[in-house]
Amino acid sequence: KQEVTQIPAALSVPEGENLVLNCSFTDSAIYNLQWFRQDPGKGLTSLLLIQSSQREQTSGRLNASLDKSSGRSTLYIAASQPGDSATYLCAPAGGATNKLIFGTGTLLAVQP
Amino acid sequence: EAQVTQNPRYLITVTGKKLTVTCSQNMNHEYMSWYRQDPGLGLRQIYYSMNVEVTDKGDVPEGYKVSRKEKRNFPLILESPSPNQTSLYFCASSPKTGALNQPQHFGDGTRLSIL
Repeated sequence: KQEVTQIPAALSVPEGENLVLNCSFTDSAIYNLQWFRQDPGKGLTSLLLIQSSQREQTSGRLNASLDKSSGRSTLYIAASQPGDSATYLCAPAGGATNKLIFGTGTLLAVQP
Repeated sequence: EAQVTQNPRYLITVTGKKLTVTCSQNMNHEYMSWYRQDPGLGLRQIYYSMNVEVTDKGDVPEGYKVSRKEKRNFPLILESPSPNQTSLYFCASSPKTGALNQPQHFGDGTRLSIL
């Protein structure tokens, strides 16, 4: 059974810092892994998707890496801004049902 | 605009009164799914559908029903809601099962309160 852990659970940084969010998962048989952003009371916004054969994916200030064999993914945010404040969720997808298994997220606060 | 639309966004109701949360996607996706999100437990899958007339249970299906009569719609039905079904619900869709490079798209969520 896939289990997903995200560390840290919460993070507060000053504006402009570069930061790394960590995600680990127990079952490496995945199709892909998605990183999502969730604002309070809102839905999930897909940030990046890394296919199982890829090592990393970039979108603007965001870079996600995937090491499937060790069951780890990281989300790197460069030059953080107050607008980046949100909960970040990672979710590997796999198995016959294409089910996403979510971690409990990292709550990020970027202080102006 | 490609989107997943859920209705209602908010609902307060009472125990035992049947309710339906609708979900519609305009991307011609084959795969649709329902999740619930609870504090400390994260998002958990309730039901999923790989295509029209094909549905199956996820991790927490008790107390819920679904149907997939059309490709675009995947309603979630609570026949006799109970307070433990108070939660934030999300509908999601993606082009097909096992698609390596296809992200799942989520609706904005439905917050249900069962009194």
